[in-house]
Amino acid sequence: ETGVTQTPRHLVMGMTNKKSLKCEQHLGHNAMYWYKQSAKKPLELMFVYNFKEQTENNSVPSRFSPECPNSSHLFLHLHTLQPEDSALYLCASSPALTGTGPLARYTFGSGTRLTVV
Amino acid sequence: GENVEQHPSTLSVQEGDSAVIKCTYSDSASNYFPWYKQELGKRPQLIIDIRSNVGEKKDQRIAVTLNKTAKHFSLHITETQPEDSAVYFCAASNGRTGNQFYFGTGTSLTVIP
Repeated sequence: ETGVTQTPRHLVMGMTNKKSLKCEQHLGHNAMYWYKQSAKKPLELMFVYNFKEQTENNSVPSRFSPECPNSSHLFLHLHTLQPEDSALYLCASSPALTGTGPLARYTFGSGTRLTVV
Repeated sequence: GENVEQHPSTLSVQEGDSAVIKCTYSDSASNYFPWYKQELGKRPQLIIDIRSNVGEKKDQRIAVTLNKTAKHFSLHITETQPEDSAVYFCAASNGRTGNQFYFGTGTSLTVIP
């Protein structure tokens, strides 16, 4: 496996539901990220965590709420989503937050395909 | 902020031919440029990356070239094979702003057997 595991792989939820996405990495990486991937758009950075502290919130609506209890686990809590939030949500990790080369190399999870109905 | 543009959005080549994907960036401070390959239904995977102190890097059939003056970098795949069919993403980072990568919109490559 890749070292970054995301669950569930697929999720269908109604606009009034509450659900959570989970990401887990056992690579010893210190930084973790949530990205949104929509068709024909660049990957959009949502949140960045470094040593379980949030360092970036890229103007994400409050209906998305991240949680990072430790440097190996990352959650994305979802509530009252809109149909336009349907997308592939990717988690990634990297050895460090800054720098270039090997320290910046992402390992992605396989993503959660979210459909909001 | 950085703006990364990627072309073409779709590319079809015959097996054995070469494929070239080009990205341009706007921030002259960007100094790290990875390329990711995403097969259908799978996660993006790093295939090659280049730092700004190098003009070219090769790994078997894959190469990346960087022109810092013109602010563009390209992915070259030679002797393409059907398993090269995937979406390829370029990205740029200056390594300062929280390791944020700015991604291109992706190129869907189809290698026709």
